[in-house]
Amino acid sequence: GAGVSQSPRYKVAKRGQDVALRCDPISGHVSLFWYQQALGQGPEFLTYFQNEAQLDKSGLPSDRFFAERPEGSVSTLKIQRTQQEDSAVYLCASSSAGITGELFFGEGSRLTVL
Amino acid sequence: AQSVSQHNHHVILSEAASLELGCNYSYGGTVNLFWYVQYPGQHLQLLLKYFSGDPLVKGIKGFEAEFIKSKFSFNLRKPSVQWSDTAEYFCAVNARNTDKLIFGTGTRLQVFP
Repeated sequence: GAGVSQSPRYKVAKRGQDVALRCDPISGHVSLFWYQQALGQGPEFLTYFQNEAQLDKSGLPSDRFFAERPEGSVSTLKIQRTQQEDSAVYLCASSSAGITGELFFGEGSRLTVL
Repeated sequence: AQSVSQHNHHVILSEAASLELGCNYSYGGTVNLFWYVQYPGQHLQLLLKYFSGDPLVKGIKGFEAEFIKSKFSFNLRKPSVQWSDTAEYFCAVNARNTDKLIFGTGTRLQVFP
């Protein structure tokens, strides 16, 4: 499709498990962002890629969170040893022109940690 | 640190009523301002944005927003809402020397026929 695609849409993990969330941005978009949205809150910035370079990871809440975009297209957000407080919707967005371009969001991956 | 406040958490209106959703931000420097909308079951999408120039910005679906620098505000308005405007609305701010969008907590709008 023409939009940002995220998978899985829903993920249930037991505490301590590792999870991987995938984002397939719009073709040709050089900028890719990850956001975390807890229930009843607005999205919170996690990290930003320009092509394969991770330019800003200041929003990653702990060293259990890791993101990569090795070929400058698909990105994966990995969460190791999941905790209950990691339960949230993880949103991916892409843009053709960084933050000043329009961000196109995916539908998100809802993670529930039991 | 930058922050965004949306004081209206839940707004309920009848069709044809006028809408104004408040947004205030805290940041002393130059900013880019955005409103995003999330319709039920859909992804976030851009409603309108302000970078510079005329502080009254017009967006899609009849929405507009006014940037008032002295008040650090970027309120969203629509003169006559429709049932299809039922959605969650997020104000967001980007400080021009960063690559982050800072979102408010959102306002849930319900419009009844």
